[in-house]
Amino acid sequence: QVQLQESGPGLVRPSETLSLTCTLSGASFSTYYWSWIRQPPGKGLEWLGQIYYTGSTSNNPSLDSRIAISIDTPKNQFSLQLSSVTAADTAVYYCARAFYSNNGGGFYFDYWGQGILVTVSS
Amino acid sequence: DIQMTQSPSSVSASVGDRVTITCRASHGISTWLAWYQQKPGKAPKLLISAASTLQGGVPSRFSGSGSGTDFTLTISSLQPEDFGTYYCHQANSFPFGGGTKVEIK
Repeated sequence: QVQLQESGPGLVRPSETLSLTCTLSGASFSTYYWSWIRQPPGKGLEWLGQIYYTGSTSNNPSLDSRIAISIDTPKNQFSLQLSSVTAADTAVYYCARAFYSNNGGGFYFDYWGQGILVTVSS
Repeated sequence: DIQMTQSPSSVSASVGDRVTITCRASHGISTWLAWYQQKPGKAPKLLISAASTLQGGVPSRFSGSGSGTDFTLTISSLQPEDFGTYYCHQANSFPFGGGTKVEIK
């Protein structure tokens, strides 16, 4: 059974860097894409970026200058760093696995972590 | 950038009703569209990929259709466990729709 678990600090100071880790169990990284998605309290979903098991990344252009995603396959982890955070970055952060559909194309998130609330506040 | 617009933003319906949610893309996206269901305090769940492919374990009362710019998610006979917020998602450049909250009357 594929399981994803986010971990990291629940409180980050403004202007600092938010760092989260997602630990994968029950599967390997190969042939899938590994994503970060967030949801501000009471609001909708925002895709942040993803990393392929080879290490290639793709980020949301609106956050591209602030975001870094990395993968550590021996540790079964991938990570998110978001720099220069503000209160607008307060959200539940989800990690998720995405598969690419050969039937019609596109990336689809089939497994998600439970999410971790990160609050940006001094 | 492609924008995804969902309507309605909320719907209240009775058990057994047919519920239809629409999603419109600002530019054609072929069939690169997913539907997710999210219940309060939980992660979203993938219901449909590639506009119309039902995921394993998802009840057959859920169906998706459309291509290009206009898509629909239909719940043929609403059940009590179908409450939650439904999001469409453009599966190649990644914007999500704003969500449709489904409530049971």
